[in-house]
Amino acid sequence: EAQVTQNPRYLITVTGKKLTVTCSQNMNHEYMSWYRQDPGLGLRQIYYSMNVEVTDKGDVPEGYKVSRKEKRNFPLILESPSPNQTSLYFCASSLGLAGGPVFGPGTRLTVL
Amino acid sequence: QKEVEQDPGPLSVPEGAIVSLNCTYSNSAFQYFMWYRQYSRKGPELLMYTYSSGNKEDGRFTAQVDKSSKYISLFIRDSQPSDSATYLCAMSATGTASKLTFGTGTRLQVTL
Repeated sequence: EAQVTQNPRYLITVTGKKLTVTCSQNMNHEYMSWYRQDPGLGLRQIYYSMNVEVTDKGDVPEGYKVSRKEKRNFPLILESPSPNQTSLYFCASSLGLAGGPVFGPGTRLTVL
Repeated sequence: QKEVEQDPGPLSVPEGAIVSLNCTYSNSAFQYFMWYRQYSRKGPELLMYTYSSGNKEDGRFTAQVDKSSKYISLFIRDSQPSDSATYLCAMSATGTASKLTFGTGTRLQVTL
């Protein structure tokens, strides 16, 4: 089944403890992105990647890092999480510039 | 002012009604337009994708783009209780795989 997977799906952590949320797609898509979704603010793009080793900042990149060492994987790294990063995170991938991205199931992160 | 405005609802309609969902935007460079459906605790699911102006139909769903008015619409015919979800509009100037801007979503409830 063509899909985007994320792990973990739920995570509760404490301020300052480094964490990684993994994202993987099995559709051979070139493009991948990370979004966060917050009430009243909607989905906001954190980072996106056009190909292996090519990434760029979205609207809210502060406090996040990404890497794209393989085409299928695009992990999101929070080196020192803070409570304002408590949110619902989505990974997405797409084949080309046209056509809407396919979203993963989401990761609910709580930072205490 | 947000680049993309969307009435949050909730919008409640009886089963079988025609539903009209709308977004307005301020960036005249937007040329890729999408509608996503998001069920509670799930990732967004692409419903419709349109490039530039015009109409697109897919089953019970019709998407309209009026670039002169900076206004897009999604119509749902013969609405069903299973259509109850949050509907997100999204748009991009440079291609959907890169920078994508979302509306905050309209919550739709279709009642029996």
